[in-house]
Amino acid sequence: GALVYQYPRRTICKSGTSMRMECQAVGFQATSVAWYRQSPQKTFELIALSTVNSAIKYEQNFTQEKFPISHPNLSFSSMTVLNAYLEDRGLYLCGARTGGNEQYFGPGTRLTVL
Amino acid sequence: AQSVTQPDARVTVSEGASLQLRCKYSSSVTPYLFWYVQYPRQGLQLLLKYYSGDPVVQGVNGFEAEFSKSNSSFHLRKASVHWSDSAVYFCAVRRNNNNRIFFGDGTQLVVKP
Repeated sequence: GALVYQYPRRTICKSGTSMRMECQAVGFQATSVAWYRQSPQKTFELIALSTVNSAIKYEQNFTQEKFPISHPNLSFSSMTVLNAYLEDRGLYLCGARTGGNEQYFGPGTRLTVL
Repeated sequence: AQSVTQPDARVTVSEGASLQLRCKYSSSVTPYLFWYVQYPRQGLQLLLKYYSGDPVVQGVNGFEAEFSKSNSSFHLRKASVHWSDSAVYFCAVRRNNNNRIFFGDGTQLVVKP
């Protein structure tokens, strides 16, 4: 079946440092990958959408300079949180979509910033 | 533009009682509609989805949802809740030719024993 893995599941970084997280699609080819952030007690905000053969599109309030994303092939994507501060803490979800309509979410990477 | 409204931030019901969690959407065309559940300290799990056809869709663990075009709603229901259903439930929409999913603010369900 289709699965999405995220690594690491939990991470802690010092304020001002950077943290890279990975997303792996297993059992299908991800034509697009979306990254979301859930800040404490809030809903999921779309950070950016990466579609094969298209430029990565960032939502308002999120930039490539802060959240650079790599999507080198149809099964893997990574995102880095650069210069992390307290407001960047939360659960980062990766959602990978198949060539059809199905989208699968990973378990998330929980980021704590000290 | 699309948006999702979950008017109830928190719902408390007794175990065994019926449940309805409300979701209203705003979209120029009928979107794809989803309900997800987030258990404490976990990610998202898909409960059910609506693309087209029968407006009542069945999901996992006895959940169902009904799409209403006239009301722009997609309410989630369960006939008899269990304490393990306590979680946060998110309604989400996606335009059918778009990859972007928009989530509501979530409804925290508390099931009292």
